[in-house]
Amino acid sequence: RKEVEQDPGPFNVPEGATVAFNCTYSNSASQSFFWYRQDCRKEPKLLMSVYSSGNEDGRFTAQLNRASQYISLLIRDSKLSDSATYLCVVNRLSYGQNFVFGPGTRLSVLP
Amino acid sequence: DGGITQSPKYLFRKEGQNVTLSCEQNLNHDAMYWYRQDPGQGLRLIYYSQIVNDFQKGDIAEGYSVSREKKESFPLTVTSAQKNPTAFYLCASGEGRGTEAFFGQGTRLTVV
Repeated sequence: RKEVEQDPGPFNVPEGATVAFNCTYSNSASQSFFWYRQDCRKEPKLLMSVYSSGNEDGRFTAQLNRASQYISLLIRDSKLSDSATYLCVVNRLSYGQNFVFGPGTRLSVLP
Repeated sequence: DGGITQSPKYLFRKEGQNVTLSCEQNLNHDAMYWYRQDPGQGLRLIYYSQIVNDFQKGDIAEGYSVSREKKESFPLTVTSAQKNPTAFYLCASGEGRGTEAFFGQGTRLTVV
């Protein structure tokens, strides 16, 4: 079993749709959680950090459930420009700190 | 402007050659990381370093080597021992302490 798993995708949705991404992690000692966005053939870029209390940034809402070891990302009113691969990222608690990336879920928003 | 610079953007290597990928950051970050990404796959950790003159193997370190002689620099050498080196290589840095990682623009390595 992979340490971080995500919906396999791809998700193809019409403009204006609401889309939800799910992510689970297996290391209960994980401390920090993030969603990154990666455009085709580009580097990943931070979309948002994920906090236990949940956090929102415009059309994007992230939730963390530590008991279930589950992270989610909700995109409302999706735009064509939201088309990308969304990566769930967990920060390991080990020597130093390093990040474990999920395989990503590709989103295509269609006109 | 602060950021992470990787060079070159594209690199071609003959089989049996070692090549070194450059990664420089001026963000004053302690931690630096190297990842490999294959088409349609997620990122896999090659090496990471939390402080100067110290680094640790990641999940796929075989066939790679690194050094961390300066805080700003974390070069990655892909050796001839790496049997399938063609991939997209990403360098990242972070402050640690649970904060996010910032990425360079990547180097696409192709073995010809």
